[in-house]
Amino acid sequence: NAGVTQTPKFQVLKTGQSMTLQCAQDMNHNSMYWYRQDPGMGLRLIYYSASEGTTDKGEVPNGYNVSRLNKREFSLRLESAAPSQTSVYFCASSFLSGGGNYEQYFGPGTRLTVT
Amino acid sequence: AQSVTQLDSQVPVFEEAPVELRCNYSSSVSVYLFWYVQYPNQGLQLLLKYLSGSTLVKGINGFEAEFNKSQTSFHLRKPSVHISDTAEYFCAVRRRSNYKLTFGKGTLLTVNP
Repeated sequence: NAGVTQTPKFQVLKTGQSMTLQCAQDMNHNSMYWYRQDPGMGLRLIYYSASEGTTDKGEVPNGYNVSRLNKREFSLRLESAAPSQTSVYFCASSFLSGGGNYEQYFGPGTRLTVT
Repeated sequence: AQSVTQLDSQVPVFEEAPVELRCNYSSSVSVYLFWYVQYPNQGLQLLLKYLSGSTLVKGINGFEAEFNKSQTSFHLRKPSVHISDTAEYFCAVRRRSNYKLTFGKGTLLTVNP
């Protein structure tokens, strides 16, 4: 049981390049999330997917797109990277509701630098 | 919408001293409350959660938190810290009617020998 996995762990991009961050979970969770973490800002929600087949914008969606490929996988795409997107990106997953299992489980993060 | 305020961005303490990390939230509806810990260069790990019932919640690594509805607070405490507790701690709130978490900006706990 690997939990939430993310690839890659590190990435350096030039301004204008594109890339996709991959996330997978093996806990049979319904919901998946993408956050970015910046110093002094805490974690801010970029996009989330309440269940397979649905995605919605979070607090800071500009410059990003997502795909919920299946129940296990949720990818985040930067179409044209900008230096303001330099950050640490975390994927998380959770059950939608029920059973008291309301917490989100986090992956190890991807450190992205855009030059 | 809900919000979370962590009142201290940094808390330095000496080993074996007690510590309290403060968290206040605002919400017009009932919420669930969480504390997460992030060790250097790692993801977030759940320390404890308040869903309902007893207002004193015990978590992993000797941490506990008390939910105070009248003061809308959920402060985290540990009676005696270790060097290994050095990490960033995040308070988070989730409305009972949906599944999105709102995080505070974090408190960096540094335990010195």
